[in-house]
Amino acid sequence: SYELTQPLSVSVALGQTARMTCGGNNIGSKNVHWYQQKSGQAPVLVIYRDTNRPSGIPERFSGSNSGNTATLTISRAQAADEADYYCQVWDSSTFNWVFGGGTKLTVL
Amino acid sequence: QVQLVQSGAEVKKPGASVKVSCKASGYSFATYYMHWVRQAPGQGLEWMGRFSTRDGTTTYAQRFQGRVTMTGDTSTSTVYMDLSSLTSEDTAVYYCARHLNSGWPLDYWGQGTLVTVSS
Repeated sequence: SYELTQPLSVSVALGQTARMTCGGNNIGSKNVHWYQQKSGQAPVLVIYRDTNRPSGIPERFSGSNSGNTATLTISRAQAADEADYYCQVWDSSTFNWVFGGGTKLTVL
Repeated sequence: QVQLVQSGAEVKKPGASVKVSCKASGYSFATYYMHWVRQAPGQGLEWMGRFSTRDGTTTYAQRFQGRVTMTGDTSTSTVYMDLSSLTSEDTAVYYCARHLNSGWPLDYWGQGTLVTVSS
């Protein structure tokens, strides 16, 4: 089955740029979606189909996807960005949806 | 506005079953699939399966095959997730989330339902 690998944690200084990766075999050929989950809340979609932002998501959030790595980038990080972030793809070989293990973002 | 409202918290004994509901509003119910995702305490998101509101077909994650049943009622725009033979490892928050079509994300999520399995 298809697996997605995310670092357990990423730290970023207030106002700096955070980059969170999501690794998978030839993930560049898949549509990658990213979700933000704050403590005690339901996940929220922040990036879909690699690079697209839903309405209401700040322009500071951006995504890229190539080769074996997809990346979620948060520019000018704010305290409110502290959350767990999950990448997700659809595995066409099993017809299953797959989530990465999640990355905890800490804003220092 | 789009809303997915789930049923309340449940406490079940090992071996029992639980049925969680998800009522949709603010959009055309039969246009979107409904998925179920769960999250054990302190753990990540785990996809359980998908229900087609158009034709009632289902796709389940292999690890839940035989134990999960997803159904829907178009007259009330409600989807249900039934999980049987519960163990303590099924203690988790269960979410419903809608999905438009292939290549598109889970764009709206329910608030979650905590299911606790304890003797």
